[in-house]
Amino acid sequence: KAGVTQTPRYLIKTRGQQVTLSCSPISGHRSVSWYQQTPGQGLQFLFEYFSETQRNKGNFPGRFSGRQFSNSRSEMNVSTLELGDSALYLCASSPVMAGELFFGEGSRLTVL
Amino acid sequence: KQEVTQIPAALSVPEGENLVLNCSFTDSAIYNLQWFRQDPGKGLTSLLLIQSSQREQTSGRLNASLDKSSGRSTLYIAASQPGDSATYLCAVRGSNFGNEKLTFGTGTRLTIIP
Repeated sequence: KAGVTQTPRYLIKTRGQQVTLSCSPISGHRSVSWYQQTPGQGLQFLFEYFSETQRNKGNFPGRFSGRQFSNSRSEMNVSTLELGDSALYLCASSPVMAGELFFGEGSRLTVL
Repeated sequence: KQEVTQIPAALSVPEGENLVLNCSFTDSAIYNLQWFRQDPGKGLTSLLLIQSSQREQTSGRLNASLDKSSGRSTLYIAASQPGDSATYLCAVRGSNFGNEKLTFGTGTRLTIIP
C-alpha cells in the first residue's frame, strides 16, 4: 500500500510569490491534515479536512489556505510569501477523523 | 490552550539500555495521544496511538502509557539499538468541541551510543 505522497519535495520561491503544495493520502483515507515545522516553532497545526470539509484550523494568517478534493487529495496554498514561511510542510492522512496519523516526507519550502 | 512538554530535550544512552521518554500536557480533555519518531529531514513515523480510555499500548520493544488525570504519557523503549536514534515526538488531540486539533510536543532527540 502506497504511503502519503507529497509534491514537490523541495522548492525555492521569492518573497511575494505564492506556492501550492499537494498531498495524496493513503488509499481509503478520508482525513488529511497539514502541519508546518520550523526549528524555532516546532510542529504547528495548519488545518484538517475530512470529506472535503475543513474540520479544524490552526492559528495561521489567511494567507494560508487549503482544500480537499472528492478523491481525498488535498492542496495547500500560501500567498504573498514571507521569509518566515520557510519551513518543512508536512501532510498526514488518517482513515477516520481523529484517527492514527500517517505522515508524508514533507515539502521543504525556502523563501528568498 | 493545550501545552505539551517533552523533557529532556536530548538524551544519550549506551546501546542495550532500557529508557523512558516523557510527555506532559496541561489540558486533560484529550481524545487520544500519539507517539512518533522523526529521522533528520524526514517525515514522522507513527509508533503508538493511545485512546483516552486506554492506559497503555505496546508494539514490539515499545510501550506507551497514559495517565490523563496527571497529564502524563511515557514511552518505554526496551533494549535500545543504534537504529532507535531519532527525535521522538508526542502529540495530543483535544476532545472539546472546537479544540480537536493536534498539539505537538517539542520532542526528545535520542542518541543510542554503540
